[in-house]
Amino acid sequence: KNEVEQSPQNLTAQEGEFITINCSYSVGISALHWLQQHPGGGIVSLFMLSSGKKKHGRLIATINIQEKHSSLHITASHPRDSAVYICAAPMYSGGGADGLTFGKGTHLIIQP
Amino acid sequence: EPEVTQTPSHQVTQMGQEVILRCVPISNHLYFYWYRQILGQKVEFLVSFYNNEISEKSEIFDDQFSVERPDGSNFTLKIRSTKLEDSAMYFCASSEWSYNSPLHFGNGTRLTVT
Repeated sequence: KNEVEQSPQNLTAQEGEFITINCSYSVGISALHWLQQHPGGGIVSLFMLSSGKKKHGRLIATINIQEKHSSLHITASHPRDSAVYICAAPMYSGGGADGLTFGKGTHLIIQP
Repeated sequence: EPEVTQTPSHQVTQMGQEVILRCVPISNHLYFYWYRQILGQKVEFLVSFYNNEISEKSEIFDDQFSVERPDGSNFTLKIRSTKLEDSAMYFCASSEWSYNSPLHFGNGTRLTVT
C-alpha cells in the first residue's frame, strides 16, 4: 500500500515569493494528483500527472517517477493562494478503480 | 461546468441512528468514490464503485457502511448505526475513468454524531 509524505506541513510566505511543496510516495504509480482544499473544506483537483511537468497559470507540478517524488510550485504567490495543498497517489500500483491515499497536506499562508 | 453535488451539506444525527448521504456524480463519469476527513486529519479513502458494484474498499468501510446507485444519477453512502467516531466530512467524487483521470469532488457533507 502506498504511503504519501508531504513537506513542509506548514508554510508562511510573503506575497510574491516562489513556493515549493514536496511530495514523496512509496509505491510506483502511473499518476499522481495535486489537490487544493479551501478553508471552507471544498477540494479542487489542480493536476494529475504521470511524467515530466504540467503548468496551469502560476502553478507548476513536476514529477520524477524513478525517484517517486513530485513538487508543486507557485510563482508570484498571492494571498488568494492561501489554502491546504494535498498530494495524493493511488493506493496500489494496480489498475482499476483504486482509491487514492492522501498526504497530510501543506497549509500555505501567503501574507500581503 | 458540470459538478458533483452532495446533499445535505450538514447532517446532525444521534448515535445509533442510520444516515444516508447523497451524491449526484457528473453524468458521463463511470467511477464513483466516497472519502472522509475527520476534523484536523487527512482525507481517507472509503470505497470506489464501478459498473454498479464496489470495486475497492478500505478497512474503514466495514459492515456498517454500504453504497448504492439506486437510479441513473444518485450515488449514496449509508451508515447503518452511527458512532461518535463517524463524525467527519464525507466527500463524494467521480472520475471519467479510473484513478488515471482527474477526480471531481463534491463540496462534502459534514456529519455530526451526538
